[in-house]
Amino acid sequence: DSGVTQTPKHLITATGQRVTLRCSPRSGDLSVYWYQQSLDQGLQFLIQYYNGEERAKGNILERFSAQQFPDLHSELNLSSLELGDSALYFCASSPGQLQETQYFGPGTRLLVL
Amino acid sequence: QQQVKQSPQSLIVQKGGISIINCAYENTAFDYFPWYQQFPGKGPALLIAIRPDVSEKKEGRFTISFNKSAKQFSLHIMDSQPGDSATYFCAASARGSGNTGKLIFGQGTTLQVKP
Repeated sequence: DSGVTQTPKHLITATGQRVTLRCSPRSGDLSVYWYQQSLDQGLQFLIQYYNGEERAKGNILERFSAQQFPDLHSELNLSSLELGDSALYFCASSPGQLQETQYFGPGTRLLVL
Repeated sequence: QQQVKQSPQSLIVQKGGISIINCAYENTAFDYFPWYQQFPGKGPALLIAIRPDVSEKKEGRFTISFNKSAKQFSLHIMDSQPGDSATYFCAASARGSGNTGKLIFGQGTTLQVKP
């Protein structure tokens, strides 16, 4: 158990809908990272927050947004969902903002029908 | 230039054998190279990591070999065990890329160790 929790574990929704994925980092970790894992694209970095502030963005679609709250939990919002958004979404956390071990949560499996 | 290329895509090894997974990169700004192990239904977990100031790092049965001039690094699993059967990802990041630890991952290698 990495200490990172993600909810929900599974999510099934329809195209055009909006969903929110939630992540609670390990106690004391200030950075939260979001990654998307799909069969064809592998593990792709989406976005990083550090202590409430956005630190880096990857190939995150404009339909996706995220935030980190004062209690350091983070939410990833996915809107106008398309079939191609079906994937595993992982949250990871680390103590600081630079190169160090990232602890991954168990992921949220999103299926868009 | 931000890519990390990983091979092979899948690997089958007999118990007790050596598993070797290779990665190559183009971005010379990369200066941190971790390997992550992922079991089905779980998130990736850090296995071992190396920085370019050393050519090799060993932790138990796992060794990273790093060739800075060739821009390649590899994971060697000695005495491979069935419990090592998992997907392995190499990754890279660049310290100087704006105060972020974002990881660029390879495509993954599915390892099966046969008893």
